[in-house]
Amino acid sequence: AQSVAQPEDQVNVAEGNPLTVKCTYSVSGNPYLFWYVQYPNRGLQFLLKYITGDNLVKGSYGFEAEFNKSQTSFHLKKPSALVSDSALYFCAVRAPLSGNTPLVFGKGTRLSVIA
Amino acid sequence: KAGVTQTPRYLIKTRGQQVTLSCSPISGHRSVSWYQQTPGQGLQFLFEYFSETQRNKGNFPGRFSGRQFSNSRSEMNVSTLELGDSALYLCASSLARGSRQETQYFGPGTRLLVL
Repeated sequence: AQSVAQPEDQVNVAEGNPLTVKCTYSVSGNPYLFWYVQYPNRGLQFLLKYITGDNLVKGSYGFEAEFNKSQTSFHLKKPSALVSDSALYFCAVRAPLSGNTPLVFGKGTRLSVIA
Repeated sequence: KAGVTQTPRYLIKTRGQQVTLSCSPISGHRSVSWYQQTPGQGLQFLFEYFSETQRNKGNFPGRFSGRQFSNSRSEMNVSTLELGDSALYLCASSLARGSRQETQYFGPGTRLLVL
C-alpha cells in the first residue's frame, strides 16, 4: 500500500527566504506525486505534479518540487517566500493504475511565513 | 471554466439523522472522488466514481455511500450520523482515470457538524 510522510507539522520561514516543505513516499512502481495547498476555510488547490520525465517540476505561484527516486522524496520548494504563502500544504501519492489505487495524502505541513 | 461545486457548504445535523451531499465536477470531467478531512485523521479517501461506477472505496463503514449520475454529478450519503462524522467533506474531479491527466481538482467542501 502506498503512503506519504510529511515529517514536519510546522515550518516557519522569514519572508524573502527560500522555503522547503518535505515529503517522502512509499509506493510500488513509479509514483504519481502531487502537492496541494489549503487556505483557511477553503478546499485544496493543486500546485504541481510529477508523473514522469524531468525530476524538477515547476508549478503554480512560483513553487517547484524535486523528485528524488533514490531517496523516495518529493520536497516542495520556493526560492523566495511570501507572507501570502502561509497555508497548509499536502503531499499526495498515487500508484500507477493497478487495482485499488486512491490518492493518499500526508498529514499536512503548516507553513508560516513571517514578515 | 467553472470549478468543482459542492452543496450545501455548511450543514448541521443531529445524531441518527442522514445527510446527502452533492458535487458537480468540472465540465468534461468524468471521475469524481470524495474525501473526509478531520483534524485528527487528516484527509481520508472515501470513494471514487467513474462513468457512474464505483471504482475505489476507502476504509469507511457501510453508512457511507455514494453514487454518480450520467452527467457525472455525484452525491454521497451518510446514514445514522455519529458525532465522529463531523468533518469537512471534499469532492474532487479529474478528467480521466489512470491517464497523465490524473490531476484532481477540489471543490470548497461541505462542512458537516453532527450534534
